[in-house]
Amino acid sequence: DAKTTQPPSMDCAEGRAANLPCNHSTISGNEYVYWYRQIHSQGPQYIIHGLKNNETNEMASLIITEDRKSSTLILPHATLRDTAVYYCIVRAAYSGAGSYQLTFGKGTKLSVIP
Amino acid sequence: ETGVTQSPTHLIKTRGQQVTLRCSSQSGHNTVSWYQQALGQGPQFIFQYYREEENGRGNFPPRFSGLQFPNYSSELNVNALELDDSALYLCASSLETGRNEQYFGPGTRLTVT
Repeated sequence: DAKTTQPPSMDCAEGRAANLPCNHSTISGNEYVYWYRQIHSQGPQYIIHGLKNNETNEMASLIITEDRKSSTLILPHATLRDTAVYYCIVRAAYSGAGSYQLTFGKGTKLSVIP
Repeated sequence: ETGVTQSPTHLIKTRGQQVTLRCSSQSGHNTVSWYQQALGQGPQFIFQYYREEENGRGNFPPRFSGLQFPNYSSELNVNALELDDSALYLCASSLETGRNEQYFGPGTRLTVT
């Protein structure tokens, strides 16, 4: 799986958009970009994933650059409850054999400030 | 729909002892994965169970073992506990082994003294 690089921490004002970057310059053609977050003392929570097109769901938007070497997770109107560690994970499409584990890095600690 | 549950919430054990942690997967999910999360680190994959068989393992010694039952619930067993085993142990379930939309439980905080 390709390696990802994220800033260790970021601040965002409450009500503003939070833009969390992720670099995955060695990503290959069949690898997806996944985002999870972990609120303090809870298990990680799936947010969104994408291959090459931008994706949006009720939680966030995922913007993937045309060369796929980086992506940005956007929380459009950050609230205090969005304070968490955000993990960007790159993973190949399932090949039909073996396990399909997630490989977490250290993520970005997002602090939403009132 | 019931989410992933884990028990116990917290546990304190002594070095050398054995421990069993339990996980009930989300309704309809047949795949369970276990992760270890040390303080300040991201979760690390221990192993995965699919239809009651181990389906893959991370870089953990054999004293970490597991089971999955016909109702897809699962156990993680750790023998000969070491101080470095102190961590948050997370269980995640998914619909099929190939799905990365894994749903995590709240974890069990294990402290080894």
